[in-house]
Amino acid sequence: AQTVTQSQPEMSVQEAETVTLSCTYDTSESDYYLFWYKQPPSRQMILVIRQEAYKQQNATENRFSVNFQKAAKSFSLKISDSQLGDAAMYFCAYRSYSGAGSYQLTFGKGTKLSVIP
Amino acid sequence: EAGVAQSPRYKIIEKRQSVAFWCNPISGHATLYWYQQILGQGPKLLIQFQNNGVVDDSQLPKDRFSAERLKGVDSTLKIQPAKLEDSAVYLCASSLIPRQGGGYTFGSGTRLTVV
Repeated sequence: AQTVTQSQPEMSVQEAETVTLSCTYDTSESDYYLFWYKQPPSRQMILVIRQEAYKQQNATENRFSVNFQKAAKSFSLKISDSQLGDAAMYFCAYRSYSGAGSYQLTFGKGTKLSVIP
Repeated sequence: EAGVAQSPRYKIIEKRQSVAFWCNPISGHATLYWYQQILGQGPKLLIQFQNNGVVDDSQLPKDRFSAERLKGVDSTLKIQPAKLEDSAVYLCASSLIPRQGGGYTFGSGTRLTVV
């Protein structure tokens, strides 16, 4: 079974600074997707960024970028120019095919990010 | 486009009572998921539907949990009878056909407290 590990329960960053959230995963598959989701107090999970495993180029979305190291099974999220609105829980997720048309999304335990004004 | 709608937003019940949650996915999304998120943890998949058929319910505690998706649109998740450990946020998500690689769109969830 796939596992996703986020080793930082909490992180903090000064406004306008850069922060990196870590994620590692365990898998024997070669084709899969990785995601970072943001969950503010409203509880809605919001997709931040997506990475396809067969693409070597790291994904970027405005101030958000990832460092995808497939061999090391590492998928970290970098937030540049941090804003107060970035404060939330961040979840790393791994999506794999589990057969019969079913894809399973496995989440880590999350990292709580605080942004200091 | 409208998001994934869930109701109620909060629910408090006593143990051994029953409860039901409702989800209306994004129009046209064939796949619907129910997740359980216990405080301090990431969401865990309970059940996945594709149209109105169950694709994966391997982590659904079937002795007390049930779910249906009539006509391949709305879905209802029921717990009967509830236990204290069922206290959690229940999230519904939907997506296009999964093999297209898209992300999932989540609702705001229902926070259940069992006392």
